[in-house]
Amino acid sequence: GAVVSQHPSWVICKSGTSVKIECRSLDFQATTMFWYRQFPKQSLMLMATSNEGSKATYEQGVEKDKFLINHASLTLSTLTVTSAHPEDSSFYICSATRPAGVTDTQYFGPGTRLTVL
Amino acid sequence: QKEVEQNSGPLSVPEGAIASLNCTYSDRGSQSFFWYRQYSGKSPELIMSIYSNGDKEDGRFTAQLNKASQYVSLLIRDSQPSDSATYLCAVRDSSYKLIFGSGTRLLVRP
Repeated sequence: GAVVSQHPSWVICKSGTSVKIECRSLDFQATTMFWYRQFPKQSLMLMATSNEGSKATYEQGVEKDKFLINHASLTLSTLTVTSAHPEDSSFYICSATRPAGVTDTQYFGPGTRLTVL
Repeated sequence: QKEVEQNSGPLSVPEGAIASLNCTYSDRGSQSFFWYRQYSGKSPELIMSIYSNGDKEDGRFTAQLNKASQYVSLLIRDSQPSDSATYLCAVRDSSYKLIFGSGTRLLVRP
């Protein structure tokens, strides 16, 4: 399967600081990447859709000024959690779509566990 | 509201048995269907994709799709304890987003 990497794999930060998470597709060019959040024992929650060269599309209830997304190239998208608070502690997972028309497939990165103290 | 429904489980099967995981979806126009496996604390891993009615086999896994009944299933033959995980059914909508079910937890007893 395709390889999608995330960095860092885990991060602990103080309340009020900002944290940047990188998502890279390593062996294909991804025109679309997605950012998800998952709280313990809950399903994935889509936060936003990131398209290369354009503004991200955020899901209802997700604050775009708090979760800044930049899709700088066909292989890199970043999520910045600004002014993080303990309630932002979660498992953040990106995915990248390998383009193939009808058979487009989303591959997930390994995730980033964020803990805000 | 597009929905994907799964039984949360846990589904408990003995080692060597067939595990059958089921999923229904509400959007009749959906064309692409996926099964992901997620181990505790890890991100989802793609197991199978299916786009046409019928069965698709890959090793011990078989995905089944019935668009008329809006039903997709995953069969795992010769279940192993290492198959114990949460299985997520996902349906892609017209905007290329994946709509996920809440997942079925599978436990394979040694």
